[in-house]
Amino acid sequence: AQKITQTQPGMFVQEKEAVTLDCTYDTSDQSYGLFWYKQPSSGEMIFLIYQGSYDEQNATEGRYSLNFQKARKSANLVISASQLGDSAMYFCAMREPNSGNTPLVFGKGTRLSVIA
Amino acid sequence: GAVVSQHPSWVICKSGTSVKIECRSLDFQATTMFWYRQFPKQSLMLMATSNEGSKATYEQGVEKDKFLINHASLTLSTLTVTSAHPEDSSFYICSAMGPTVYGYTFGSGTRLTVV
Repeated sequence: AQKITQTQPGMFVQEKEAVTLDCTYDTSDQSYGLFWYKQPSSGEMIFLIYQGSYDEQNATEGRYSLNFQKARKSANLVISASQLGDSAMYFCAMREPNSGNTPLVFGKGTRLSVIA
Repeated sequence: GAVVSQHPSWVICKSGTSVKIECRSLDFQATTMFWYRQFPKQSLMLMATSNEGSKATYEQGVEKDKFLINHASLTLSTLTVTSAHPEDSSFYICSAMGPTVYGYTFGSGTRLTVV
């Protein structure tokens, strides 16, 4: 079974609008961490935002916020005021358990295209 | 900030030859390094976990004799693709544990093309 599911292969958004990228996860661990990364065409992985399973508040980092719904096992990324430079692949990832030298497991990604 | 230097950024090699990819942590000690492979328009798939001074742990389906991983020091891990074939053409990227708050520092990736 897939640990991380991103159901939107591609998304379009108008510049300056907000967009939500979906991510659901599967784990039986109580302790886990959820991450979002941006991958532009150059290939580098740019860390955007992190949410720990015990964090009670939704994480926010500038224009990025994470809509964490633990009971539904979803961790959607919200990008506000989209910019042309936001066009890229976006990956949701999980670490379980949320400690030690544990690798990230990635979803299949969503390609976001921002339209002027 | 924490930096992992990955080299080369791209390489073209002939079928049957070997290629070495290096990941070096510049300003921190990385006891653990993860190696991922990414085919075009696909996700990052974990290939192996390397720990300094010990043998790498490979994921199911990854040939350890083909993808040799060496983590001989706290700042350097290498991935050697031996007897490369066109199907090995892919984007390879490393990720070191530490020292950022959330624990992962990625290299910039290596695009390998085998002709």
